[in-house]
Amino acid sequence: DAKTTQPPSMDCAEGRAANLPCNHSTISGNEYVYWYRQIHSQGPQYIIHGLKNNETNEMASLIITEDRKSSTLILPHATLRDTAVYYCIVRVLDGDSGGSNYKLTFGKGTLLTVNP
Amino acid sequence: EPEVTQTPSHQVTQMGQEVILRCVPISNHLYFYWYRQILGQKVEFLVSFYNNEISEKSEIFDDQFSVERPDGSNFTLKIRSTKLEDSAMYFCASSHRRGTNEKLFFGSGTQLSVL
Repeated sequence: DAKTTQPPSMDCAEGRAANLPCNHSTISGNEYVYWYRQIHSQGPQYIIHGLKNNETNEMASLIITEDRKSSTLILPHATLRDTAVYYCIVRVLDGDSGGSNYKLTFGKGTLLTVNP
Repeated sequence: EPEVTQTPSHQVTQMGQEVILRCVPISNHLYFYWYRQILGQKVEFLVSFYNNEISEKSEIFDDQFSVERPDGSNFTLKIRSTKLEDSAMYFCASSHRRGTNEKLFFGSGTQLSVL
């Protein structure tokens, strides 16, 4: 799976948008961009994923550049509960074969601190 | 909302003892995983399990580790003879499908302390 680069930490004011960048310059055409987060002492939580189009769900928006070499996770109105480590992960999805080669490879992520 | 349940939340054991960590995945999920996180370090993949067999495992998952789905609901991780370096938070995860809409759901973890 392609390697990702994220800033180690970021701050955001409560109620403002949090924009978390991720570089994945070696991404290949069949690799998806996934975002998970881990609130302190809890298990990772899925946020959103995409291939090349921008995606939005109830938690966040994902903006992927046209060349797919970078992406940005946007939390539109950050709350104190959004303080967490955010992981950007790129990986191939091999369909519903049920075979091997699936795993999430977590990096160090970005510690987002939302301040009151 | 359905969730992955792990028990116990904390487990303390003596070095050399066997431990079994238990997980109840989400009921209609088919793919099961164990990850671990040593304090202050990254979340690391251990093993994936599908159709009653291991589909992938990492270098960490050596002969001391085993997984089982004994009764169609529980998914267990056994460490036969624990070492000090096995001390970590162990996360179970499950997913309904693989492919373009796959999402892993993680449990809250079991904190294992080996003394």
